Amino acid sequence: AQTVTQSQPEMSVQEAETVTLSCTYDTSENNYYLFWYKQPPSRQMILVIRQEAYKQQNATENRFSVNFQKAAKSFSLKISDSQLGDTAMYFCAFLSASGTYKYIFGTGTRLKVLA
Amino acid sequence: EAQVTQNPRYLITVTGKKLTVTCSQNMNHEYMSWYRQDPGLGLRQIYYSMNVEVTDKGDVPEGYKVSRKEKRNFPLILESPSPNQTSLYFCASGPRMLNTEAFFGQGTRLTVV
Repeated sequence: AQTVTQSQPEMSVQEAETVTLSCTYDTSENNYYLFWYKQPPSRQMILVIRQEAYKQQNATENRFSVNFQKAAKSFSLKISDSQLGDTAMYFCAFLSASGTYKYIFGTGTRLKVLA
Repeated sequence: EAQVTQNPRYLITVTGKKLTVTCSQNMNHEYMSWYRQDPGLGLRQIYYSMNVEVTDKGDVPEGYKVSRKEKRNFPLILESPSPNQTSLYFCASGPRMLNTEAFFGQGTRLTVV
C-alpha cells in the first residue's frame, strides 16, 4: 500500500524568504502522479503544483517549484519570495497511474508566513 | 464557472439522525469521491465512483453510504451518525485522465453531538 509522509507539522517563514516543505512517499509502482495542494483558512483545496513521475524535469509554477527525487521517493515543495497569502495548510498527495483513482494524502504541513 | 458544490457547508446534528450531504459537479467528470479530513490524519477517502452506478469503498467507508444515479451528483449519506463522524468532509471530482488534478468542493463541517 502506498503511504505519504509529511514530517513537518508546522513551519514558519519570514515574508519574502524561501521555505521548503518536505514530503516522502512509498510505492512499488513506477508510474504515478504527485501533487501539492494548498488549504487556506477558507478550507478550499487549491492545486499548487503537479508532477508526473515519468518526467525527470522538476515542475515549476511561478514562485512554487518542486524537487522530485524518484529514487529517493521524495517530493519537496519550495516556495520562493513567500507572501502573507501563502499562509495555509499544505498537503502532499500521491495518485497511482493504475486507474484506481485513489489519492493518498499526507497529514499536512501548516505554514505561517510572518510579516 | 466550473465547480464542485457541496451542501450544506456547516451542519450540527444529533446522534442517530439520518443526514445527507449533497455534492454536484458541472464539469461532466467521470470520477467523484468523498474524503474526510481530521487533524493529524490528513484526508482519507471514504467512497469513490468511476461512473454512473459504479461506486467502491475507500479507506474509511464504515458508517457511510453513497449513490451515483446521475453523473453530476454524488451524495454522501450517514444513516445513523455518531460523534466519531464529526469531521470536515470534501467532495472531489475529476476527469478520467489521471494527469489532471481533482477538483474539490468547499467542504462541509459536520458536528455530531
